Amino acid sequence: NAGVMQNPRHLVRRRGQEARLRCSPMKGHSHVYWYRQLPEEGLKFMVYLQKENIIDESGMPKERFSAEFPKEGPSILRIQQVVRGDSAAYFCASSPRSTGQPQHFGDGTRLSIL
Amino acid sequence: DQQVKQNSPSLSVQEGRISILNCDYTNSMFDYFLWYKKYPAEGPTFLISISSIKDKNEDGRFTVFLNKSAKHLSLHIVPSQPGDSAVYFCAASSYSGGGADGLTFGKGTHLIIQP
Repeated sequence: NAGVMQNPRHLVRRRGQEARLRCSPMKGHSHVYWYRQLPEEGLKFMVYLQKENIIDESGMPKERFSAEFPKEGPSILRIQQVVRGDSAAYFCASSPRSTGQPQHFGDGTRLSIL
Repeated sequence: DQQVKQNSPSLSVQEGRISILNCDYTNSMFDYFLWYKKYPAEGPTFLISISSIKDKNEDGRFTVFLNKSAKHLSLHIVPSQPGDSAVYFCAASSYSGGGADGLTFGKGTHLIIQP
């Protein structure tokens, strides 16, 4: 499967716990994006990363949320001390180096906070 | 403030007819536009895109039209098929900075194709 891979597909956490969401981009793609979708809403941009660099985190909440894309391994979106309002679908997308190329999405992680 | 607006939450079209989905944007810096299709519990699937230097792009049954002066784009699907029933998202981005940035999405239009 050459597509964007996200895991886990579903994640349940209790309030105050940490959530870690993983994303492996398509082969040959060096740009990774994270989006969040609340019910009945469109996707909202959170952060844009290239290998070992955060390029744009203008959509990330200032506290509790962080993202990384290490030299080796998948991109990680980390949410510390989760609250009920963090319940959402989190999607990762990737694109190749050149601009003007569409982003391709994974199937998302559904995060539920008890 | 919504920079990309899809004003029709749902649209019902008979199989075989043309489906027209509309999208308006307010940010004049947007220069790259995309349409995605999404089924429940799956990620968005890229359908078609258009750069601001063009006013039309066609791919099989899908055509996207861009009217820059009106800040409006539309997706035409013809003929519509049952498998086209899904939520369609319009998205926009700006590449004027020289790099790829995050997409701004509309809230989506739920297209229902009736037999």
